[in-house]
Amino acid sequence: DAKTTQPPSMDCAEGRAANLPCNHSTISGNEYVYWYRQIHSQGPQYIIHGLKNNETNEMASLIITEDRKSSTLILPHATLRDTAVYYCIVRYSGGGADGLTFGKGTHLIIQP
Amino acid sequence: GAVVSQHPSRVICKSGTSVKIECRSLDFQATTMFWYRQFPKQSLMLMATSNEGSKATYEQGVEKDKFLINHASLTLSTLTVTSAHPEDSSFYICSAREGGNTIYFGEGSWLTVV
Repeated sequence: DAKTTQPPSMDCAEGRAANLPCNHSTISGNEYVYWYRQIHSQGPQYIIHGLKNNETNEMASLIITEDRKSSTLILPHATLRDTAVYYCIVRYSGGGADGLTFGKGTHLIIQP
Repeated sequence: GAVVSQHPSRVICKSGTSVKIECRSLDFQATTMFWYRQFPKQSLMLMATSNEGSKATYEQGVEKDKFLINHASLTLSTLTVTSAHPEDSSFYICSAREGGNTIYFGEGSWLTVV
């Protein structure tokens, strides 16, 4: 998997939108961007993924730049339960037997 | 999303004994499952890839004879930590790849070796 770069930590006020950036400048054309989060003492939770178009689901939106070298995960109305470590992972679309390689992620802290 | 379940969520065992952790995909069939280990304040580290009906593939530095992996069906993979020692105490997490290629994770299993 291509390497990603994320800020180690971020704060966001409860009720505001949380925007988590990720750089993946070496991404190749057949690699997706995946986002997971890990709440303390739990297994990672899948959030969203995308190839080149922006994506939205019930949890979040994913904005991918036109050159695909960076992306932003948006939690539209952050709550205290969104406090977690967020991982941005680039993964080959063929997947198969390749597991996910986790970096250090961004520790998002939602402030009341 | 798809559901992956692990059991037990917490286990304490005596040094020198073996302990088994189960990982089940509840609503999909998974030809490939993955096992991770996570130490406190560290990120997840891939230990091995488990393929249904064949031998697991271990990452460099992971002892295959110590961490036995069995993937006998499309919905179940097991990790057995043999001759456990206190340094094996960790958070073990499994994941499974569903048909659409997204990987889903279990809740994790805390192992404490005393």
